[in-house]
Amino acid sequence: DAGVTQSPTHLIKTRGQQVTLRCSPKSGHDTVSWYQQALGQGPQFIFQYYEEEERQRGNFPDRFSGHQFPNYSSELNVNALLLGDSALYLCASSSGTGSPTFGSGTRLTVV
Amino acid sequence: AQSVTQLGSHVSVSEGALVLLRCNYSSSVPPYLFWYVQYPNQGLQLLLKYTSAATLVKGINGFEAEFKKSETSFHLTKPSAHMSDAAEYFCAVSFTQGAQKLVFGQGTRLTINP
Repeated sequence: DAGVTQSPTHLIKTRGQQVTLRCSPKSGHDTVSWYQQALGQGPQFIFQYYEEEERQRGNFPDRFSGHQFPNYSSELNVNALLLGDSALYLCASSSGTGSPTFGSGTRLTVV
Repeated sequence: AQSVTQLGSHVSVSEGALVLLRCNYSSSVPPYLFWYVQYPNQGLQLLLKYTSAATLVKGINGFEAEFKKSETSFHLTKPSAHMSDAAEYFCAVSFTQGAQKLVFGQGTRLTINP
C-alpha cells in the first residue's frame, strides 16, 4: 500500500519564477495538508484541502495557493519565488479522525 | 494561541542510556499531542499520539510519552537508546482529533554515542 507520494523530490528555481509541487495521498485518505519546513525548523502549516476546497489556512501570503482534484491528489503553487521560500515542502494526508501521514517532501531551492 | 516548546535543540546520550526529550505546550483547551520522528532526507513518521484516552501513551520503537496537564508537558522517553534512534524529533499539538492543523515545535536532534 503506497503511502503519501510527492513529486518532484528536488527542485531548483530562480527568484521570481513559479513552481508547482504535487502530492498523491495515501489510499483511503481524502484530506491533504501542506507544510513548509525551513532548514533547522519545525514544519509550518500552509493550508489544508478537503472536498476540493481550502478548509484551513496558515499564515502564508497569497503567493501560496493550492488545488485538490477529484481523486484527492493535490498541488501546491508558489508564485514570484523569493530566496526565503527555499525549504522542504511536506504533504500530509488524513481521513476523518486519523492522524496525518506525511510524505518524504520536495526540497525546493530558490537561487 | 497554541504553541509548542521543545527544550533543548540537541540532546546527546550514550547507547543503552535513557532518552528524555522535553515538550511543553500552551493551549486554552485540552489538546491532542503528537510526537513525530524525522530521519535525514525523509518525511515525518508518527511515533505516538495523545487523545485523552490514557495519560501514558506507548508508541513505536519502544518510545512512550506521558501527558501531565498540571505541567502542560508531554515528554518523550525511551529506557534504552539504540544507535538507530538518532534522528530529529518533533512534538506537535492540535485542537481537533482529526489533526486539521498541527503546530510543531522547533525539533530536537538526538545523537547516540557508541
